[in-house]
Parts: sequence; structure tokens; C-alpha cells
Amino acid sequence: EAGVVQSPRYKIIEKKQPVAFWCNPISGHNTLYWYLQNLGQGPELLIRYENEEAVDDSQLPKDRFSAERLKGVDSTLKIQPAELGDSAVYLCASSFGQETDTQYFGPGTRLTVL
Amino acid sequence: GESVGLHLPTLSVQEGDNSIINCAYSNSASDYFIWYKQESGKGPQFIIDIRSNMDKRQGQRVTVLLNKTVKHLSLQIAATQPGDSAVYFCAENRGEREKLTFGTGTRLTIIP
Repeated sequence: EAGVVQSPRYKIIEKKQPVAFWCNPISGHNTLYWYLQNLGQGPELLIRYENEEAVDDSQLPKDRFSAERLKGVDSTLKIQPAELGDSAVYLCASSFGQETDTQYFGPGTRLTVL
Repeated sequence: GESVGLHLPTLSVQEGDNSIINCAYSNSASDYFIWYKQESGKGPQFIIDIRSNMDKRQGQRVTVLLNKTVKHLSLQIAATQPGDSAVYFCAENRGEREKLTFGTGTRLTIIP
């Protein structure tokens, strides 16, 4: 069974440019998560979807970050405009959606903002 | 504020020895804990979990111990192998459905 797929794996952009990350969760997983991971730190939740509904976006910086999961499967996370401090790894995870279901993570997208 | 934290940022263990990675948490409302392993360039990988109504849970070569009295969690890895070298994170569910709070992580290095 395929795991969580993310693309691109690496992205280098100039500050003030837009960037988008794509995630395809494990088939059948209703819940999708986007996390931010800074170097040497644990992942921090940005947004959680249950199907196509964003049920927890309290940690998403909405002035520059946006996300969508239009058909309840794939998801896109966008930053516009990117800032130097946005350099990090952006992780996508998915789960079946029960309270203690295991969250399965993708490999992440490493973003470098110059 | 309350947080999940780790006692040691790095740990080196001889191959074949046992390793213990510790984690302290401060939220008494947390009822579910998970250990993840993250290798370089990869996403975190689930290792083992434990609910707050348990003190111990065993998996293949791994054991998680939970001491609610002192709010302490540990991961024991038996007979360590080179492939165990990674960063290990503990995470907790603080009663908010499906929301995990991760600690900083401990880098485990297995010495051949």
C-alpha cells in the first residue's frame, strides 16, 4: 500500500515569491494534517481536515498561508508571499479519523526561502 | 506554558546494547502518548503508543513505560541496531481529538 505522497520534495524560492505544496493521503484516510517542522524541533500542526472540511486551522497564519482539500482527498498548502522565516519542512499526514488512530506521515517538502 | 519535553537532546549507544529515551510531559489531561522515529530526510514513523490507563506496553524490541505520578514517559529499545539511529519524538494527545503535541526530540546514535 502506498504511503502519504508529497511533492515537491525540495523547493528553493526567493522571498516574496509564492509556493505550493501538494499531498496525497493514504487511500481511505478521511483526516489529513499539515505540519510545520523547524530544524531540530518536533512537528507543529498547521491545519487538520476531516474530509473536505478544515476543522482545526487555529495555528495557520492566515495572512499568508492557505490550504484546500476540495474533493476530500488531495490537499494543497500555499504560502504567498513567502518570508525567510518560512524555511522549514512541511509535513503532511493522514489517518482514518478516529481519536487515537495512527497518523502516517509523508516524507515532507523542505522549503528554503532565500 | 505546558509542554512536552525531552531530558536529553542526544544519546549514543553501543550496537547491541539497550537504550532508553525519556520524555517529560506536564499536562495531566493527556490521555494518549505516542513515540515516533524520524530518520534523516523522512517523515516521522509511528513506533508505539500507550493510553493513560496503562503503565507499560511492549512491541517488537521496544517498550514504552508511562509513569503518571511524575508525568514521565520512556521508550526502551532492546538490542539496538544501526538502523535505530534516528531522532525520536514523544507526542501527546491532550484530550483534543486527534491533535498531537510533539516534543523537541532526542537524537539516538548507534555506535557500531
